[in-house]
Amino acid sequence: QQQVKQSPQSLIVQKGGIPIINCAYENTAFDYFPWYQQFPGKGPALLIAIRPDVSEKKEGRFTISFNKSAKQFSLHIMDSQPGDSATYFCAASTGANNLFFGTGTRLTVIP
Amino acid sequence: DAGVIQSPRHEVTEMGQEVTLRCKPISGHDYLFWYRQTMMRGLELLIYFNNNVPIDDSGMPEDRFSAKMPNASFSTLKIQPSEPRDSAVYFCASRIHNSPLHFGNGTRLTVT
Repeated sequence: QQQVKQSPQSLIVQKGGIPIINCAYENTAFDYFPWYQQFPGKGPALLIAIRPDVSEKKEGRFTISFNKSAKQFSLHIMDSQPGDSATYFCAASTGANNLFFGTGTRLTVIP
Repeated sequence: DAGVIQSPRHEVTEMGQEVTLRCKPISGHDYLFWYRQTMMRGLELLIYFNNNVPIDDSGMPEDRFSAKMPNASFSTLKIQPSEPRDSAVYFCASRIHNSPLHFGNGTRLTVT
């Protein structure tokens, strides 16, 4: 059973566009929601993370929006660049326990 | 800091052979995780350790898989005997309590 559902599976945008990746979860005990970025041949790397006591977090061009009542969170990439082309994973966990990952979104930013 | 170090980067083996994957976590990290990544199933947790003790191995597919952490700086994931369906990228990751998870660059396993 997939603990975190992620969509879309793939996404193509023009340079400067704002890709949005969505995730949903069921377990209300989750209290940590990170996003990971993965380039080919590399391991996933933490991009940005949020806890459920805030509805939005920005770090540079990356923004997480969090809707606790809907049990959904999303990643927005402002002014996307070709270098942002990668696979993005959302995840969720309870405290120091295991992270449950979404199935990933392959983003392509066209120059 | 060298990050999480995995070896080998690539492994090609024949069905039935034993495969051993190795991981050196970041120094000072007390949690170590083994994940498997495939196109079909994404990133799946296999097992994780806290202070060298296995905490949750419910993701280990079957008895052919085993993992050990003899000390704080080394862990192995063994598959014996290997099967073609084990072909995947295996990631090791580590963290210290309440800190982000740091991944290695993975081992790409191909079983023919």
